[in-house]
Amino acid sequence: DSGVTQTPKHLITATGQRVTLRCSPRSGDLSVYWYQQSLDQGLQFLIQYYNGEERAKGNILERFSAQQFPDLHSELNLSSLELGDSALYFCASGKNTEAFFGQGTRLTVV
Amino acid sequence: GNSVTQMEGPVTLSEEAFLTINCTYTATGYPSLFWYVQYPGEGLQLLLKATKADDKGSNKGFEATYRKETTSFHLEKGSVQVSDSAVYFCALNNAGNMLTFGGGTRLMVKP
Repeated sequence: DSGVTQTPKHLITATGQRVTLRCSPRSGDLSVYWYQQSLDQGLQFLIQYYNGEERAKGNILERFSAQQFPDLHSELNLSSLELGDSALYFCASGKNTEAFFGQGTRLTVV
Repeated sequence: GNSVTQMEGPVTLSEEAFLTINCTYTATGYPSLFWYVQYPGEGLQLLLKATKADDKGSNKGFEATYRKETTSFHLEKGSVQVSDSAVYFCALNNAGNMLTFGGGTRLMVKP
């Protein structure tokens, strides 16, 4: 158990809809990272938050957004969903150089 | 920018065979290097790490040495087991920010 909790584990939704993925980091970790894992693109870094502030941005679509709340949990919002957004979404938390990953949320867009 | 290249899989081995998964990287400065493992249906678990040149990371019989001269961090294990079947990711972290991952290598170990 990495100590990082992601909910829900599975999500099935229709095209055009909006979903919110939630992540609770390990106790004491200020950084939260979001990654997307798909078969054709591998593991892609989306965005990082540090203590509530956006720290780094990767290949995150404009339809996607994230935030980190004062209690350090984070949410990833995906809107106007397309079939191609179907993927595993991982949250990780860490300090210094190490990152610990949650079990992921498997999103299926139908 | 940073990038990680690892050998494409799948790698199929018999139990007790020797494993090598190659990983090379491109980065400025002195990144930290990692191997993560992903078992079926699970998230990524940190397997081992090395933070400076010539460091050797090791865990569960796996090891990898940080070679700055060849910009490599190859993963090795002397005798693989069926339970080692998983996808292995090489990654680097530069300046304490996000991890950059290689494409992953699927390992299948047959009894």
